[in-house]
Amino acid sequence: QSALTQPRSVSGSPGQSVTISCTGTSSDVGGYNYVSWYQQYPGKAPKPMIFDVTQRPSGVPDRFSGSKSGNTASLTISGLQAEDEADYYCCSYAGTHAVFGTGTKVTVL
Amino acid sequence: EVQLVESGGGLVQPGGSLRLSCAASGFTFNNYWMHWVRQAPGEGLVWVSRINGDGSSTSYTDSVQGRFTISRDNAKNTLYLQMHSLRVEDTAMYYCARDQDGLGYWGQGTLVTVSS
Repeated sequence: QSALTQPRSVSGSPGQSVTISCTGTSSDVGGYNYVSWYQQYPGKAPKPMIFDVTQRPSGVPDRFSGSKSGNTASLTISGLQAEDEADYYCCSYAGTHAVFGTGTKVTVL
Repeated sequence: EVQLVESGGGLVQPGGSLRLSCAASGFTFNNYWMHWVRQAPGEGLVWVSRINGDGSSTSYTDSVQGRFTISRDNAKNTLYLQMHSLRVEDTAMYYCARDQDGLGYWGQGTLVTVSS
């Protein structure tokens, strides 16, 4: 039950694109198409941004997109905006369990 | 409107016990698996436990196995987390979350502090 590996931080200027990786194993990310991504502002509850690898919940801008290749999932934010500055966590089902990523702080320069 | 409201957090001494509750409304509670997720101060999210719709199947992260028990009362639309033998490292904000489209809905959390 090791946490999925994410970069500690990524940054970009407004309008640019950033991609956050989420690396697991064949027992979690690679074994299931149940990767989700969450945005969290300080002191707030996480907000779902992507589920089932590529699906966006209603109301999430299409600037947010998800993908997966092998044991690594990715979240891409296109056209970065100031309000995208937050922490982002991936999550994968792993059989009877779930596991979160280590978290990535996105900074808008 | 889906709402999840956690309660029951507080200050407890190491070795003590606490029961968290998560009151659900706005949806048919027994149709959904539910989860507990925690976040220590300044740290990341950690999945803790999950339970299926009728309460017959549960699972836990290794660090709480044997100390924590997840349960639900579908008649009361409430999810529980009974925590025993609490440790300093269990100090965290505890969130309940509904399972659909990932963890599609979250409560605002309840803070558990384990300290002497």
